Amino acid sequence: GMPVEQNPPALSLYEGAESGLRCNFSTTMKGVQWFQQNHRGRLITLFYLAQGTKENGRLKSTFNSKERYSTLHIKDAQLEDSGTYFCAPISAGNKLTFGIGTRVLVRP
Amino acid sequence: DPKIIQKPKYLVAVTGSEKILICEQYLGHNAMYWYRQSAKKPLEFMFSYSYQKLMDNQTASSRFQPQSSKKNHLDLQITALKPDDSATYFCASSPGGVTNTGQLYFGEGSKLTVL
Repeated sequence: GMPVEQNPPALSLYEGAESGLRCNFSTTMKGVQWFQQNHRGRLITLFYLAQGTKENGRLKSTFNSKERYSTLHIKDAQLEDSGTYFCAPISAGNKLTFGIGTRVLVRP
Repeated sequence: DPKIIQKPKYLVAVTGSEKILICEQYLGHNAMYWYRQSAKKPLEFMFSYSYQKLMDNQTASSRFQPQSSKKNHLDLQITALKPDDSATYFCASSPGGVTNTGQLYFGEGSKLTVL
């Protein structure tokens, strides 16, 4: 299967709602980076985690190396949260392997 | 104020021609990378450089040649361009060498269209 699987492929949320994105990897990874790609194509780093959990405002991410997954949780969704979210676990050589992304649409 | 500068932001080329994508980072990082995002594939790793030395190359074609004239530069020369090379090419850097796991910082990308 794919080395990095992201679910769901697409997500529609109303403003103020919350939801979670998940990323599973086929092998043990050293860390993970989460990105939001906006409508201009720019990659914005949301989190870099080598272990555990981090929070930043309405976003929270967890990385579990042993169980080979990471999650991204969005609370109180805002219109500007729309975009494509990529999970990219980090392997040897500090190399990122990207998933195909989750397209998030936040509706008013 | 972007710390990783990629030039040009957009470019159009004809099949068979050659182009160079420029990347400069002002973060003082020791490792630099190229990634590619095309319509048909997920973002994919191409090259990594550490202290100006090529560390990893996942690009099958020799038409893609990275060039590092200075520690904070990693340009990408692409020869004999094909329409399938159309993609956005992202440059990235990280603080340590590639043997040190650490966050990658990305530029804004150079979008290449090959006609």
